[in-house]
Amino acid sequence: AQSVTQPDIHITVSEGASLELRCNYSYGATPYLFWYVQSPGQGLQLLLKYFSGDTLVQGIKGFEAEFKRSQSSFNLRKPSVHWSDAAEYFCAVGLKAAGNKLTFGGGTRVLVKP
Amino acid sequence: EAQVTQNPRYLITVTGKKLTVTCSQNMNHEYMSWYRQDPGLGLRQIYYSMNVEVTDKGDVPEGYKVSRKEKRNFPLILESPSPNQTSLYFCASSIGAKRGMTDTQYFGPGTRLTVL
Repeated sequence: AQSVTQPDIHITVSEGASLELRCNYSYGATPYLFWYVQSPGQGLQLLLKYFSGDTLVQGIKGFEAEFKRSQSSFNLRKPSVHWSDAAEYFCAVGLKAAGNKLTFGGGTRVLVKP
Repeated sequence: EAQVTQNPRYLITVTGKKLTVTCSQNMNHEYMSWYRQDPGLGLRQIYYSMNVEVTDKGDVPEGYKVSRKEKRNFPLILESPSPNQTSLYFCASSIGAKRGMTDTQYFGPGTRLTVL
């Protein structure tokens, strides 16, 4: 069965500093990859997704992610964090053979220091 | 505005008292799904529906029921809630999976359920 690992449960970053969130997946075939953000008390909002093509994907709010097949990773990055980026971030994997089924990682909570 | 709505947003109940959490989407999506979110576990799929009258179990279906009588609505039913069903629940919808594709899913705001 496929699995998604987000190794960092919490990350604290200073405002204006760069941010990188790690995501590793375990699955033999090529998955579809997603990053969602959950602000406090809110639902999940899609940041970006990778289906195929260019392995560097641009998303909303200044986020980008890079798919590395050799490392089974899909890390999320932002060059300069804003206080409003404090939230929980979820990586998710979708499988071609499984239609719309998404498997989520455990999430990384980001705290932003002033 | 395109959206997925859930009601109620917060619910406190007692063990064994049947409850229903409603989910509705106004995007004419074929696919709908329910997830529960627990700390450290991310979101886990409870049930999903590929279209009207078509539902199937996800990863954690025990203790839950669903129905899909209309395209826009996908209620989650807990016939006899237990404390281990205390969680944050999300409904999601998407256009519908074409063969070999995974569509982007749009999520509702969540329902926080506490079972005492």
